[in-house]
Amino acid sequence: ETGVTQTPRHLVMGMTNKKSLKCEQHLGHNAMYWYKQSAKKPLELMFVYSLEERVENNSVPSRFSPECPNSSHLFLHLHTLQPEDSALYLCASSPQRLAEQFFGPGTRLTVL
Amino acid sequence: KNEVEQSPQNLTAQEGEFITINCSYSVGISALHWLQQHPGGGIVSLFMLSSGKKKHGRLIATINIQEKHSSLHITASHPRDSAVYICAVRPNTGNQFYFGTGTSLTVIP
Repeated sequence: ETGVTQTPRHLVMGMTNKKSLKCEQHLGHNAMYWYKQSAKKPLELMFVYSLEERVENNSVPSRFSPECPNSSHLFLHLHTLQPEDSALYLCASSPQRLAEQFFGPGTRLTVL
Repeated sequence: KNEVEQSPQNLTAQEGEFITINCSYSVGISALHWLQQHPGGGIVSLFMLSSGKKKHGRLIATINIQEKHSSLHITASHPRDSAVYICAVRPNTGNQFYFGTGTSLTVIP
C-alpha cells in the first residue's frame, strides 16, 4: 500500500469511551501531522511530529493524546470527548517539517 | 480574521468552462500550497509554489508574492473536477501552514 492511510474511516463514540485513530505513511517522510477539520472552518493544526519528536502542540485539550512510536506511524488517542469534538480528523506527512504535505483520507468522528 | 481568504466560496460551472479560484493572504510567505478535497474528505496536494507559475495537466497555479495573491486555473473543466479547493500559506516566520476555508466547485455536465 502506498501514501498515507488512516483507520478507521468512520468512528462513532460516546463521551465516556476511549478510542484511538491510526495513521501510517509509506512515503519515507520524517514529519507527521494531525489536523482537525470542522464544517465551514479552515483546517486546524493539532500536533506535529518531526523525527518522532513532538514539536508542536496547538493548545489541544488533554482529552486528545498523540503518540508517534516510529516515523511511519502516528496515533491519536481519544478519551472523554465532547460532542463539539465531532469532526474530520486528518493525518498528513511531509519529507521534512513545513514541506509539501500529503494527506490521508481522514477519520470522520462523531461523539454522541 | 483568517490570514488566508479565498474567493469565491462557491462556484458552479458548465463542463468545458475555464475556472479561476483566488487566494489572498495578509502575511509574508515563503510558499503557497494548493490542495483538492473530494467529497468523503480525502485531500490531494496539487501544487506548492513560491514564485511564478506551475502547470500540471489542465491545472495552472500562479502566484504574485508582492501582491500577496495566488490563482488556481482549471482549463476545459470536467465534472470530476468538482471538489473543494483549499489554499494554504507557509509564513516567513512561524512554524505551520495557515489554511483558507476552501472554494467549493461544482462542474455540471
